[in-house]
Amino acid sequence: EVQLVESGGGLVQPGGSLRLSCAASGFTFNNSWMHWVRQAPGKGLVWVSRINIEATSTSYADSVKGRFTISRDNAKNTLYLQMNSLRAEDTAVYYCVRNEHRENYFDYWGQGTLVTVSS
Amino acid sequence: QSALTQPRSVSGSPGQSVTISCTGTSSNVGGYNYVSWYQQHPGKVPKLMIYDVTKRPSGVPARFSGSKSGNTASLTISGLQAEDEADYYCCSYAGSYTFAVFGSGTQVTVL
Repeated sequence: EVQLVESGGGLVQPGGSLRLSCAASGFTFNNSWMHWVRQAPGKGLVWVSRINIEATSTSYADSVKGRFTISRDNAKNTLYLQMNSLRAEDTAVYYCVRNEHRENYFDYWGQGTLVTVSS
Repeated sequence: QSALTQPRSVSGSPGQSVTISCTGTSSNVGGYNYVSWYQQHPGKVPKLMIYDVTKRPSGVPARFSGSKSGNTASLTISGLQAEDEADYYCCSYAGSYTFAVFGSGTQVTVL
């Protein structure tokens, strides 16, 4: 059974930091590009960041560039998102999502973890 | 990149067909045959319904179909059923850096 289990969300003050984790199982993690997609309350889906299999290439949405860092540990089948300088507009459910290498769609999604940025 | 443009809502009676449009640019929808569609019920995780414009994953009913013309992709639900009431998001590959851009989302209501 495929599982993507996010953790690390919570309430943080503006300007603060959080580190999200996503534990993967049930599929070949080291044949998968991994992504973070977020959804603000009552709003649509927004792609945030992606990392390739070897962790040699990453990319970010303009809204988070320079503040968020995506990383992965293939030995632990785990994806991370370090979020710094958080703003109110970063408040959202963050989904850990995978796309199989050489494919261009998202087939597995985690349950999401809620990040709330508020004073 | 800006979000792809979808109608805010569409509706239909059971058994009818509805079509959701998804308009982008030549940098995303028009430039690649990599449009996917996701269904999201309230409080639930998005589910892949269509990928590579027209392909259906195993387990997705045949009443869901996709197409594309120029910079606009479409999702058609034929023979609408009550359980199809949900939000639907299109998504397009947008290049090796940005990777993906989602649509604004469409709420489908079964009358």
